[in-house]
Amino acid sequence: EDQVTQSPEALRLQEGESSSLNCSYTVSGLRGLFWYRQDPGKGPEFLFTLYSAGEEKEKERLKATLTKKESFLHITAPKPEDSATYLCAVQSHGANSKLTFGKGITLSVRP
Amino acid sequence: GAVVSQHPSRVICKSGTSVKIECRSLDFQATTMFWYRQFPKKSLMLMATSNEGSKATYEQGVEKDKFLINHASLTLSTLTVTSAHPEDSSFYICSASELAGGNYEQYFGPGTRLTVT
Repeated sequence: EDQVTQSPEALRLQEGESSSLNCSYTVSGLRGLFWYRQDPGKGPEFLFTLYSAGEEKEKERLKATLTKKESFLHITAPKPEDSATYLCAVQSHGANSKLTFGKGITLSVRP
Repeated sequence: GAVVSQHPSRVICKSGTSVKIECRSLDFQATTMFWYRQFPKKSLMLMATSNEGSKATYEQGVEKDKFLINHASLTLSTLTVTSAHPEDSSFYICSASELAGGNYEQYFGPGTRLTVT
């Protein structure tokens, strides 16, 4: 059974204080690891897909990296508008391509 | 691109009635759509997976006769909550996947807040 663990559960940063969010996973055969951002009362917004260990992707202040056991979402010089819940999910090879989600990390960035 | 819409965004219904939620992929053809449920401060729980033109596959513990899913076209899936009860109150979110050309991303709708009184 695929499993995803995200840590920490919540993170409070000062504006400009860089940090990393961790996503540890176990999966039978990884097809992809996904990062989403979710604002309160909204659906998740797609950020990145990573397919193989060593892969990195960047978007504005966010950078996602992947190893064989975990993924990191690095946030460089965050702004208050980066405050949200960040969800990590894995997808294994097989029918229907369903995602297994972690519980999410709630990030608060203080001005 | 990759926009998914849901309707309605909020619905309040009385106990015992049925409610239909629509999920549409606006700018791509979704061969597979997924329905999730999310409780406050909790992660997404997959309820079922539907492929266009075939019966939905439900996750363990999800009652298929209570949560009816129809995926009649490549751009529309519906979830009907039948004989709703207060415990069905939740945030329901759909996602859609194109599954073409090696693209396995799921794009999510904005969600539907269901309140059963």
